[in-house]
Amino acid sequence: EIVLTQSPGTLSLSPGERATLSCRASQSFSSGYLAWYQQKPGQAPRLLIYGASSRATDIPDRFSGSGSGTDFTLTISRLEPEDFAVYYCQHYGSSPYTFGQGTKLEIK
Amino acid sequence: QVQLVQSGAEVKKPGASVKLSCKASGYNFTSYYMHWVRQAPGQGLEWMGIINPSAGTRISAQKFQGRVTMTRDTSTSTVYMELSSLRSEDTAVYYCARDPSRWSYQDYWGQGTLVTVSS
Repeated sequence: EIVLTQSPGTLSLSPGERATLSCRASQSFSSGYLAWYQQKPGQAPRLLIYGASSRATDIPDRFSGSGSGTDFTLTISRLEPEDFAVYYCQHYGSSPYTFGQGTKLEIK
Repeated sequence: QVQLVQSGAEVKKPGASVKLSCKASGYNFTSYYMHWVRQAPGQGLEWMGIINPSAGTRISAQKFQGRVTMTRDTSTSTVYMELSSLRSEDTAVYYCARDPSRWSYQDYWGQGTLVTVSS
């Protein structure tokens, strides 16, 4: 089973700043099968990024994903008030489709 | 538009079973696999399994094998997830989520169903 470790656990930033979220895998997996989701309180997760770097439909271009092998990054170039939420990475392509434990992005 | 509408909240006693539903609309039901993901209160996301609505084949996470049953009804475009031998640790919100590329990520999610296990 691939274990995903996200860091930091909590990130405190101000609107307008740049956010960098990390997701590290316990072993390398093929073809960048890594997705990122955003979840706000009381809501279902929302797909942001798939294939490590492809933005999902209607996702603003301030969100970008990068990485390969075991190290992946979600970057939010300029934080908007609505971006403060919890972010999860997920490995897919082989069972089990594990999630990271999440990074909470909070307003400083 | 794609919609996944899940059944309502459930309260169950330890040892009981619960069967949740997820009704899909707005797309060809049999062309997209469906995942089940759960989230305990204040915790992260946990992947439970995936079903192919066309063939009915499914894979569940090893943690849930023997306790989870995923089925589908193509006539109503509905997938079901039954979890048996419930314990307090199964208290969670359960989500169904569509897979756009077979054995991949999840692009559309249901609203979630809260299952509370309590004596």
